[in-house]
Amino acid sequence: GNSVTQMEGPVTLSEEAFLTINCTYTATGYPSLFWYVQYPGEGLQLLLKATKADDKGSNKGFEATYRKETTSFHLEKGSVQVSDSAVYFCALSDSDYKLSFGAGTTVTVRA
Amino acid sequence: DTGVSQDPRHKITKRGQNVTFRCDPISEHNRLYWYRQTLGQGPEFLTYFQNEAQLEKSRLLSDRFSAERPKGSFSTLEIQRTEQGDSAMYLCASSFQDGPNEQFFGPGTRLTVL
Repeated sequence: GNSVTQMEGPVTLSEEAFLTINCTYTATGYPSLFWYVQYPGEGLQLLLKATKADDKGSNKGFEATYRKETTSFHLEKGSVQVSDSAVYFCALSDSDYKLSFGAGTTVTVRA
Repeated sequence: DTGVSQDPRHKITKRGQNVTFRCDPISEHNRLYWYRQTLGQGPEFLTYFQNEAQLEKSRLLSDRFSAERPKGSFSTLEIQRTEQGDSAMYLCASSFQDGPNEQFFGPGTRLTVL
């Protein structure tokens, strides 16, 4: 079956630091890959997506590249802000359409 | 606001009681999904609808759970004879049928079973 493994947290960073959250997946086909973010007190929001190998998704300064050879979709941001404090979820969707999520990584950015 | 809405936002009930949650998807979306999220975990798929047809149910969805989407618009999720293990956040999402399955989530209903 499908599964997503992402870096365990929590992660605590200082403002303007570089952020990487690792995500690897197992899937039988060629899934679409997503990063969702959950800000404190809010619902899940799509952050970025990639639908095929070598695609790069980007949004709000975050980037992730779909790497088929390493089955990975690592999330990166070059300079984080306090407002980036949230829980980040890696997810995949294959032909079944349902999303399979990782366990989430809590990120706290200190001023 | 034309996003996904869920009602109620919080529900506290006693073990053995029945509860029903409602989800109103984005109006143009014909797919609707239910997920369950427990503390410290990612959401887990429960079931999904395409229009009014329920196309897939997870084995997590025991016989005590039932979901409907009678007119292909809003959906309800009912849990009968609630158990403490049912305590979780229940999330609804919707999407278009075509495309890379970008799902839009509602704020969730937090269920606490005492």
